[in-house]
This record gives sequence, C-alpha cells and structure tokens, in this order.
Amino acid sequence: AQTVTQSQPEMSVQEAETVTLSCTYDTSENNYYLFWYKQPPSRQMILVIRQEAYKQQNATENRFSVNFQKAAKSFSLKISDSQLGDTAMYFCAVGTNAGKSTFGDGTTLTVKP
Amino acid sequence: KAGVTQTPRYLIKTRGQQVTLSCSPISGHRSVSWYQQTPGQGLQFLFEYFSETQRNKGNFPGRFSGRQFSNSRSEMNVSTLELGDSALYLCASSLGGTGQYGYTFGSGTRLTVV
Repeated sequence: AQTVTQSQPEMSVQEAETVTLSCTYDTSENNYYLFWYKQPPSRQMILVIRQEAYKQQNATENRFSVNFQKAAKSFSLKISDSQLGDTAMYFCAVGTNAGKSTFGDGTTLTVKP
Repeated sequence: KAGVTQTPRYLIKTRGQQVTLSCSPISGHRSVSWYQQTPGQGLQFLFEYFSETQRNKGNFPGRFSGRQFSNSRSEMNVSTLELGDSALYLCASSLGGTGQYGYTFGSGTRLTVV
C-alpha cells in the first residue's frame, strides 16, 4: 500500500518569489517514481516534474525543482520566480510499474500580483 | 498529437439512473486509468486497464465498472447512481506502467447526480 501526505492545504506567494510545497510518502515498493502534477482552476491536470527514486540527483524542469530525501520519504517542490499562471492545485503522487499512482490531497497555491 | 479525450464534458443524471463515460487515450498509450475527484476525498483510483485487461482496481463498489477496447479506448459505467457519485471523473493514459512515464490526463467529465 502507498500513502501520500501533503500537509499544506493552501499556500500563497508573491509574484516573482520562491515557494516550496511539501510532500511525504510511504511505500513498500523498492522501485517507484514520484511526481508533481498541476491542476489550474477549471483546467486540465498536467505533469510538472518526475523523479526516479533510484536516482539521487534532484529533478529540475525550468523554474520547478524538487528536493528528494529518500530516507525521510520526503519530496518537496520548489517553484522559483513564481508567476500568476502558477496559480493551481498541486498534487504529489507516487507510482510504480505495477500500474496505478497514489495521490496526495493537494495543495492550493495562489500567486499574488 | 491529440491529447486524452473524454466525453461528455458535463452530465446531469437522476438518482437510480446509469451513466457511461468515454475516454480516448493518446495514440500508442495502452494503459488507461480512471480517477474520481471530489473536494472532500481528493483523487480516488477507480481502475486501470492495460491491453483490454483490468490490471488494477480501487475500492469502489461493483456499481462502478469499466472496459477497454482493442483500440485502447475505454469506457466506465456507473449503475444505480447515488448523490455521492457526483464528481469529476478523470481519465489518464500512460505509455506503460504509470511509474515510469506518469499520466497524461483528460479534461474530465463532470457528473452531477440530482
């Protein structure tokens, strides 16, 4: 069984500043993958960033980066130079090759002008 | 490259009725998963189909069922609708196991049961 916990239901950040969203997980799998998804208001959910658990190097995609602490089972998302378009609900998820992914309850991020 | 297409976008049904939702995955993707999204419960996994076989199933009652066709298109059916079935139903396709590739989501079907 897998569980994902996002302890921050809501967060806000000023435009151009940096914000970090927290995520902790638990899994009995040895081979797994971690994801952050973004769901803008009334829009489609999209994959933001992906991390392979067996890689120590933290993944980066433009302004988005992760801090992956495997021993602590922590997988936080850092958004640099926040933009108004980053306003969305962000979901952390853990997946395996067995098929399904397990999602956290989400963090609603508001970027303020 | 076309994305994941879900139809219809919106549905209003009456308690006791049944409903069928459709999902066309990205061309070449063989895995289709369904999730129920509600404000109180977040994203709940319904089931996953891979090459026409149900590979994983979530903890939903038997009123929720699905299938996948040879062209990878998938349908989910909910029978004897209840008010609590009102939700956004998301379809997600993946090249293979979701662990390796992650999901590409559709826009969802918003189901309202009255």
